[in-house]
Amino acid sequence: GAGVSQSPSNKVTEKGKDVELRCDPISGHTALYWYRQRLGQGLEFLIYFQGNSAPDKSGLPSDRFSAERTGESVSTLTIQRTQQEDSAVYLCASSLQGSSGNTIYFGEGSWLTVV
Amino acid sequence: DAKTTQPPSMDCAEGRAANLPCNHSTISGNEYVYWYRQIHSQGPQYIIHGLKNNETNEMASLIITEDRKSSTLILPHATLRDTAVYYCIVGSSNTGKLIFGQGTTLQVKP
Repeated sequence: GAGVSQSPSNKVTEKGKDVELRCDPISGHTALYWYRQRLGQGLEFLIYFQGNSAPDKSGLPSDRFSAERTGESVSTLTIQRTQQEDSAVYLCASSLQGSSGNTIYFGEGSWLTVV
Repeated sequence: DAKTTQPPSMDCAEGRAANLPCNHSTISGNEYVYWYRQIHSQGPQYIIHGLKNNETNEMASLIITEDRKSSTLILPHATLRDTAVYYCIVGSSNTGKLIFGQGTTLQVKP
């Protein structure tokens, strides 16, 4: 597709369950980002992948959160033992590799509700 | 990444130019100024970015002061569909940490 694709678009899960959120970046984009946005709040940086470099995981809020990326394509964000505080929209974005100033394009997000 | 300061809200009449200010006094030499907007419940939409020179595209114009400590996003003819939260962000996409603040809620009124 032309843009960043995320799935599922909506997910309702029970507290304590694990969830996986998927992101398909724009073709050819080697950089991939995950952000979280709680209702009525700004975007929180979670993790950043750039090519084959070690990911920047500095934004992950706890060890229940992890993310993987297969080569320079699909990424999966996993949340283990979900808590109600994890309810948010999880946004994925991608950009071209290269020098500063590349545009970051966002997907429409995966809305997660933990009940 | 440098921090930005934006007014929390602004109003604009439909058809008029909307001028959204942003202060980024701690910007460093290799950091860009990015503008995004977010319309209710949607993913952030890229608008424009620049380093030193003023920039214009089909959506907006970006005016960056000579000392780069502030900038203004201009929507030349605001429409009701431009009502959104506008984020000014300073940083490099290379670091992966475009830090979003609270933004400016622009309300375009008929």
